[in-house]
Parts: sequence; C-alpha cells; structure tokens
Amino acid sequence: EDQVTQSPEALRLQEGESSSLNCSYTVSGLRGLFWYRQDPGKGPEFLFTLYSAGEEKEKERLKATLTKKESFLHITAPKPEDSATYLCAVQATGGGNKLTFGTGTQLKVEL
Amino acid sequence: EPEVTQTPSHQVTQMGQEVILRCVPISNHLYFYWYRQILGQKVEFLVSFYNNEISEKSEIFDDQFSVERPDGSNFTLKIRSTKLEDSAMYFCASRITGSRREKLFFGSGTQLSVL
Repeated sequence: EDQVTQSPEALRLQEGESSSLNCSYTVSGLRGLFWYRQDPGKGPEFLFTLYSAGEEKEKERLKATLTKKESFLHITAPKPEDSATYLCAVQATGGGNKLTFGTGTQLKVEL
Repeated sequence: EPEVTQTPSHQVTQMGQEVILRCVPISNHLYFYWYRQILGQKVEFLVSFYNNEISEKSEIFDDQFSVERPDGSNFTLKIRSTKLEDSAMYFCASRITGSRREKLFFGSGTQLSVL
C-alpha cells in the first residue's frame, strides 16, 4: 500500500526564517510526487510535480527536491502570505491516476 | 486561471437522506475526480471518471455512492443514504488528460455535515 508521511505536523517561522518540510513516501513505483498548498476552507492548489530522484523545481520562495525515499519543500525567507497547509501526494505506477496524500504540514509565518 | 466550481459550499442533511454534490469541471478537461477530507485527516481519493464511466474507485466508494456526468458541463456525486461518517469536505478535481504531467485542479469543496 502506498504511504506518505509528512513532518513536522506544524511549523511556526518568523518572517525571513528559512526552513524545510519533509515528505517521506513508500510506493511500489513512483509516477510522480506532487506538492500542493491548501488554505483554510479551500481546495488544494497545485505547486509542483517531481518525477525522478535528483529533480528540483522552484517557484518564488519555494523549492522542491526529490530523492528515492523523500521529498523536501524548502521555503526561503518566508512571508506571512506563505502561511498555509502544504500537502504532499504521490501517484504510483500501476495505481491508475489517483493521488495518495499525506496529512500535511501546517505552516504559520509570523511578522 | 480557469476554475473548478463546486456547489453548494455547505450542505447539512439528516442521516439516511440522499445528497447530490455538484461540480463544474474546467471546460476542456476530460478526467474527473472526487476526493474527500474528513476534518483533521488526509485528503482521500474516492473515484475517477473518464469517457462517461468510472475508471477507478477506492474502498470508500461503496454502493451508497454514485457519480454521473448528466450533461456536457456538470459532474455529480450522489450519496444515497448518508451516514454520520460521511461528514467531510468533498473536493471535485479535473485535468485535461490522464498524463502525470498534467496538473490536477481542485475545486473549493463542499462541506457536508450529516446530523
């Protein structure tokens, strides 16, 4: 069974204080690893897809990296508007198109 | 950017009643999904739908659940006889193709409360 574990569950940062969120996964074969942002009361908003170990993607203050067992979402010099829950999900080979999500990391960035 | 639209945003129902959750996927998308999120828990896959039929479903998606694309724009999830444990946020999602390289767009969800 595909599994996704995210840590920490919650993270409080000061504005400008960089950090990383972790996503560990177990799948029979990885078709893709996805990062989403979810604001309260909203649906997940797509951030990145990573396909193979060693791949990196960047968008503004966010950078996602991938190894064979985990992915990191690095947040550089965060701002209060980066506060949200960050979700990691995997799509497995032979698993159709469904995504298996982790429970997320709730990020709060304070002034 | 185009959006997936879900109605209603909140639905309250009595246990045993039927509910229909409605979604308007992005217009040129061909693959449609329902996910749900029980408060404080993971987003869970329910069902995927392509070419007017279910392509995949989870264990959660039992005989009480059904999906339909009644016309060219709407995609619905019906729960025939709701249970307390069906209380959750239900998300509709769509993508252009089934390729892993295509983004999956989510709607803002319908919060279902079963009393």
